[in-house]
Amino acid sequence: GAVVSQHPSRVICKSGTSVKIECRSLDFQATTMFWYRQFPKKSLMLMATSNEGSKATYEQGVEKDKFLINHASLTLSTLTVTSAHPEDSSFYICSARIVTSGRANEQFFGPGTRLTVL
Amino acid sequence: DAKTTQPPSMDCAEGRAANLPCNHSTISGNEYVYWYRQIHSQGPQYIIHGLKNNETNEMASLIITEDRKSSTLILPHATLRDTAVYYCIVYGTASKLTFGTGTRLQVTL
Repeated sequence: GAVVSQHPSRVICKSGTSVKIECRSLDFQATTMFWYRQFPKKSLMLMATSNEGSKATYEQGVEKDKFLINHASLTLSTLTVTSAHPEDSSFYICSARIVTSGRANEQFFGPGTRLTVL
Repeated sequence: DAKTTQPPSMDCAEGRAANLPCNHSTISGNEYVYWYRQIHSQGPQYIIHGLKNNETNEMASLIITEDRKSSTLILPHATLRDTAVYYCIVYGTASKLTFGTGTRLQVTL
């Protein structure tokens, strides 16, 4: 099956610093990647849709200047949490979509990145 | 995308079949039913999907009613490692995956 990786798997940072999370599709090309956030005991919430070579589309209520998304190649998307604060502590998960002719486009998820802001 | 309704939690004895129901009464004709699961502190894992026919793979079976308003995910022989939150999602070709609250399946000895 398709494999999606994330790096780092876990990061602890000080309040006010920026953190970059990478999402890679290892054995396929993904024109679209998605970024989700998950708080403890809650479901995944879509933050933004990232299309290769164009600006990301953010969901309502997600600050685009705080969560910078770059999708520079067909296998890599990055999420940068700028000026992180303790309330940004969460589990961040990316997914990549495979475009399949005639079928709903399947998404494959990365293992997630746990961000803790002190 | 159509909304789904799942029971918040279920228990299943190890070795028995786990049958997880999902209601999606507003599903439209071109929307698929997808199932994912999330084991604690991991990313969601794809299980199976279907349009209108029943489907089976190495992980599970998916039974979709004839009117497509509901479906059941069947894990034929549940193990402790199947303990997870299971999400039923209705998904069209150009839409986004929207996760509901899912069903927390607890497999016990």
